[in-house]
Amino acid sequence: EAGVAQSPRYKIIEKRQSVAFWCNPISGHATLYWYQQILGQGPKLLIQFQNNGVVDDSQLPKDRFSAERLKGVDSTLKIQPAKLEDSAVYLCASSSSGVGVGQFFGPGTRLTVL
Amino acid sequence: GQQVMQIPQYQHVQEGEDFTTYCNSSTTLSNIQWYKQRPGGHPVFLIQLVKSGEVKKQKRLTFQFGEAKKNSSLHITATQTTDVGTYFCAGRRGDDKIIFGKGTRLHILP
Repeated sequence: EAGVAQSPRYKIIEKRQSVAFWCNPISGHATLYWYQQILGQGPKLLIQFQNNGVVDDSQLPKDRFSAERLKGVDSTLKIQPAKLEDSAVYLCASSSSGVGVGQFFGPGTRLTVL
Repeated sequence: GQQVMQIPQYQHVQEGEDFTTYCNSSTTLSNIQWYKQRPGGHPVFLIQLVKSGEVKKQKRLTFQFGEAKKNSSLHITATQTTDVGTYFCAGRRGDDKIIFGKGTRLHILP
């Protein structure tokens, strides 16, 4: 079974630039999550999708972050414009439907904002 | 907002010693999950606890969920160098929202 795919793996941009991350979850997984993990901290949930609907985006900075999962499969997360404090690893995870099943994480995208 | 507190933040143990990390929530959780993240890696799902007072074991790892479903612990017996990493708990609220703890970083001294 293929895992969660993410690209790019690394990205360096200057502040005020835009960036987009892509995630392809495990086939058949209805739930998709985007997390931000700052060095030395736990993952912070940015947005959770159930199929193509948003379950929770309460911690997504909506003035600069956006995410979509148009066909209920892969997803993109965009930051526009980026700030220095956005430097972090952005993790995508997926899980099958149903409450409480484990999440499978992708390798993440390490973003550096200069 | 609801917090999931995890202690200790760091733990250094001699190889062969035991290790425990604790997770506490301000409110009742529907379930709790535990993840391990190796240095430079991504979180890997270990286990899920659902029932009040539940105890599960995976070889040298023992997981417990408190009676009130507000706290949990992970205990590793006789640590090995392969246990190095950060252990996270993730609590799921009744509305299906998930909150991760900040993790406990385990370092093994040879």
